[in-house]
Amino acid sequence: DAGVTQSPTHLIKTRGQHVTLRCSPISGHKSVSWYQQALGQGPQFIFQYYEEEERQRGNFPDRFSARQFPNYSSELNVNALLLGDSALYLCASSVREPFANTGELFFGEGSRLTVL
Amino acid sequence: AQSVSQHNHHVILSEAASLELGCNYSYGGTVNLFWYVQYPGQHLQLLLKYFSGDPLVKGIKGFEAEFIKSKFSFNLRKPSVQWSDTAEYFCAVMGENFNKFYFGSGTKLNVKP
Repeated sequence: DAGVTQSPTHLIKTRGQHVTLRCSPISGHKSVSWYQQALGQGPQFIFQYYEEEERQRGNFPDRFSARQFPNYSSELNVNALLLGDSALYLCASSVREPFANTGELFFGEGSRLTVL
Repeated sequence: AQSVSQHNHHVILSEAASLELGCNYSYGGTVNLFWYVQYPGQHLQLLLKYFSGDPLVKGIKGFEAEFIKSKFSFNLRKPSVQWSDTAEYFCAVMGENFNKFYFGSGTKLNVKP
């Protein structure tokens, strides 16, 4: 079975540009979460979606937005890129939410964004 | 907000040595705790988890962790490490709404053959 897939794997942008990152969850998983992992840091929560609805938002500026589609895939959009947005962006899926009964997120390998 | 601290940023061990990685969290209520591992070139994957019950939790590949409520700790242990355990280890606590995780900054483990 395919795991969580993310695209692109690597990309380079310049300050002020916009970026769209894509994620396909594991088949049957209805919840998608996005995390930002800066160099030398642990993943930091950005968004969680369940059945196309935003369920939780982390402490990120409004330049960050996301959406989930009827097939449960998801996009993360970042506008007006800053140098500090350079990071590995991780997508994770889960069968259901809340996670209390399973507690497991399945992560993709991430999209590494470099902002110059 | 909850937070997680991992005090060991980089650990180097020889094969067969014992391992203990520290993890402390800041939430005083009911906690759900996790250790995730990221092997070189691979994605994050679950190593073990604690929800309730026996505070000594056993995970995959011989790892275990002990939840000590009075110390707000959830340390990861393995009696004898192998070269294949070389990876980065992340401690995490589930958020109060059970919809997100708070991760520590990670510990890079390098096991020398």
